[in-house]
Amino acid sequence: DTGVSQDPRHKITKRGQNVTFRCDPISEHNRLYWYRQTLGQGPEFLTYFQNEAQLEKSRLLSDRFSAERPKGSFSTLEIQRTEQGDSAMYLCASSSAIWDAEAFFGQGTRLTVV
Amino acid sequence: AQRVTQPEKLLSVFKGAPVELKCNYSYSGSPELFWYVQYSRQRLQLLLRHISRESIKGFTADLNKGETSFHLKKPFAQEEDSAMYYCALSGRAGGGNKLTFGTGTQLKVEL
Repeated sequence: DTGVSQDPRHKITKRGQNVTFRCDPISEHNRLYWYRQTLGQGPEFLTYFQNEAQLEKSRLLSDRFSAERPKGSFSTLEIQRTEQGDSAMYLCASSSAIWDAEAFFGQGTRLTVV
Repeated sequence: AQRVTQPEKLLSVFKGAPVELKCNYSYSGSPELFWYVQYSRQRLQLLLRHISRESIKGFTADLNKGETSFHLKKPFAQEEDSAMYYCALSGRAGGGNKLTFGTGTQLKVEL
């Protein structure tokens, strides 16, 4: 499968624990995005990278959230001290750097905080 | 601030009937508008974008800047059109093509 892949697909964690998700974009794409989707809502932008540089972060992204893309390829999203409100689907997407390039989405990681 | 509004959470139509999924947006500049679709158990995927002016799977959408709308239309609904549809906006003034999504409309095509 040459599409965007995310791991794990599902994660159940206890409140207060740290979790880390991984996203592998389409190999030739230099832009990578993270979105969060809660029940009944559309995806909400969290952050994006161009190559290894994190160029924008949403105000939704509290300081418990951190994202990295160390070599400009895969990316990780870490949530520290998880809260029940963090329960959501976390989506990763990638695109080329052309201004109207199509974003290709992964299948998402569903996080449940109990 | 940019905003996308999809007023209908659920739209149910009979097979062969026309479909119109509504989308209104708010953006101060010149936006790019998209429709994304998510079929059951599949990932979110691009259906069409306004700049390409294409018809994809029989769907079309026209950008109406006066009404700030980008409604999705299809003259004859098919059972395989049943899915979740999201309207999305990308601002041209930077932001790296990040998308602002509406809340989505679930389309159900009944036989």
